[in-house]
Amino acid sequence: GEDVEQSLFLSVREGDSSVINCTYTDSSSTYLYWYKQEPGAGLQLLTYIFSNMDMKQDQRLTVLLNKKDKHLSLRIADTQTGDSAIYFCAESPDGSSNTGKLIFGQGTTLQVKP
Amino acid sequence: KAGVTQTPRYLIKTRGQQVTLSCSPISGHRSVSWYQQTPGQGLQFLFEYFSETQRNKGNFPGRFSGRQFSNSRSEMNVSTLELGDSALYLCASSLASSAGADTQYFGPGTRLTVL
Repeated sequence: GEDVEQSLFLSVREGDSSVINCTYTDSSSTYLYWYKQEPGAGLQLLTYIFSNMDMKQDQRLTVLLNKKDKHLSLRIADTQTGDSAIYFCAESPDGSSNTGKLIFGQGTTLQVKP
Repeated sequence: KAGVTQTPRYLIKTRGQQVTLSCSPISGHRSVSWYQQTPGQGLQFLFEYFSETQRNKGNFPGRFSGRQFSNSRSEMNVSTLELGDSALYLCASSLASSAGADTQYFGPGTRLTVL
């Protein structure tokens, strides 16, 4: 089946690193995504990783993928108050019957304290 | 390049009415997907359109429908509105390229309130 799980809340101090975790069930997923949602806004694509990669780094963001355990994480270095938002993990299930479909986790609310 | 736009941004309707939401994708994007976001159910896939055809559909009742025009703009319609249809409706567009990630870019959403 298709399911994505995330922890609901994370609180960090400004300047610390944040690590948001996600697990997924569909082993056929080809791409995994991280989106950010600020209050009253749509979803902003942060980064994505192909399923045959272990790690991807993009400025302050590092994505780690453990395909064996179906575990994905997003690390935000030097977290700022502007990073406070809800972060969604999403998988793109494979197959022609899944075109245009993303399966999202419940979202992790990141609170950054000054 | 302009992003995905959705109109209207906010809508208030009463039970039993119908509503039409509009989405204009990023220029050059041929696929449009719709999602419903609620506090209880989170983000759920409604359907996806490509070249004016519905290619994929989520688990929603037939009251939810959509269409896509030749310029890739899309509309979704909800008939006989229920209180539970109150949600943020998000539209996303993508190139629908067969190579690489078919990255979806989201609009700001339409906030629908059903009274």
